[in-house]
Amino acid sequence: SYVLTQPPSVSVAPGKTARITCGGNNIGSKSVHWYQQKPGQAPVLVIYYDSDRPSGIPERFSGSNSGNTATLTISRVEAGDEADYYCQVWDSSSDRHVVFGGGTKLTVL
Amino acid sequence: QLQLQESGPGLVKPSETLSLTCTVSGGSISSSSYYWGWIRQPPGKGLEWIGSIYYSGSTYYNPSLKSRVTISVDTSKNQFSLKLSSVTAADTAVYYCARHTVTPTAEYFQHWGQGTLVTVSS
Repeated sequence: SYVLTQPPSVSVAPGKTARITCGGNNIGSKSVHWYQQKPGQAPVLVIYYDSDRPSGIPERFSGSNSGNTATLTISRVEAGDEADYYCQVWDSSSDRHVVFGGGTKLTVL
Repeated sequence: QLQLQESGPGLVKPSETLSLTCTVSGGSISSSSYYWGWIRQPPGKGLEWIGSIYYSGSTYYNPSLKSRVTISVDTSKNQFSLKLSSVTAADTAVYYCARHTVTPTAEYFQHWGQGTLVTVSS
């Protein structure tokens, strides 16, 4: 089955740029979606189709996807961005199913 | 505004069947554009997709759970349900229901319920 690999943690100072990666075999050929999850809350979709933002998501959140790595970029990081972030794809290679990455804890220093 | 709400027992005994229902409000479960899915998250761990259903009853499941999972839909009540059989402590998790956007090239979850914790213990 398809595997998505994320770093367990990323740290960034306020006002700087955070980059969270999601690795997978030829992931650039798939659409990648990103979710933000704060403690005790349900996940929130922040990026879909690699780089589209749902309404209400700040422009500071952006995404890219190429080759074997997709990246979620958060510009001008704020304390409120501290959360777990998960990437997700749809794997149609064998049994059709949804795959999540293991998640990355973003810490704002 | 679309809202989803999970309901069901918070405690299930080992070897028994976990049963949860998701009630959808602010929108129709019979919309042709969406599937409806279940996702779970063990305490302190990541997200795991369980399975999804279309209003017509068409389903597809995570291969790792397929033998134990049944998802059904009741369009008259605007609800869909999850049954997970032969549970063990490893099934202890927060269970989320979500609206599942499905296109020819991608699938994602834009609307989520608040989640409900189910503990498997005797």
